[in-house]
Amino acid sequence: DQQVKQNSPSLSVQEGRISILNCDYTNSMFDYFLWYKKYPAEGPTFLISISSIKDKNEDGRFTVFLNKSAKHLSLHIVPSQPGDSAVYFCAAVAGGTSYGKLTFGQGTILTVHP
Amino acid sequence: DVKVTQSSRYLVKRTGEKVFLECVQDMDHENMFWYRQDPGLGLRLIYFSYDVKMKEKGDIPEGYSVSREKKERFSLILESASTNQTSMYLCASSLMGLGTNLDYEQYFGPGTRLTVT
Repeated sequence: DQQVKQNSPSLSVQEGRISILNCDYTNSMFDYFLWYKKYPAEGPTFLISISSIKDKNEDGRFTVFLNKSAKHLSLHIVPSQPGDSAVYFCAAVAGGTSYGKLTFGQGTILTVHP
Repeated sequence: DVKVTQSSRYLVKRTGEKVFLECVQDMDHENMFWYRQDPGLGLRLIYFSYDVKMKEKGDIPEGYSVSREKKERFSLILESASTNQTSMYLCASSLMGLGTNLDYEQYFGPGTRLTVT
């Protein structure tokens, strides 16, 4: 039972354009969401997060949007750069009921072409 | 700066061998986690630990066990390695404790690519 889904295995974008990565979840107990970036042969690194009390969080070129009614979140990268090429994972946690146990999506491979 | 280290970057083992993967974190984090990453499946939680000698099963614990004798060290054990355990293994740690209201960020090690032949 995949509680967090990233339905696009890959995304290809031109440098300077916007990249939009999507994530859907089914568990209504999730109340905190994170995005991680992973380069080959490295561990994932934290990118940005959002609490369920917000619908938007911005950090430089990265913005995460949360639509609780649709159980959907998205990561926007503007402008995209070749160094953004990586695998992006969304993750969700049901705070207060776990020890910060994250549930991850399958990942989306982002390729930014120069 | 948080640092999570894993004992090996690459390992090749034979079917039936007992395999130990070691993870050490230097930030006094309470929680530690073991994941495996497989293409198309994302990161799946094998086991986690919220305190010394405490452990909880994750989503795919079958064929694995763990040990946490010291706060900074969390070991993953494959009792009898099988070819379907060929994967990338990732260790992570976090500060989050039950009942606290901190961010849930987990810090990951570089991973161990295990091949079982």
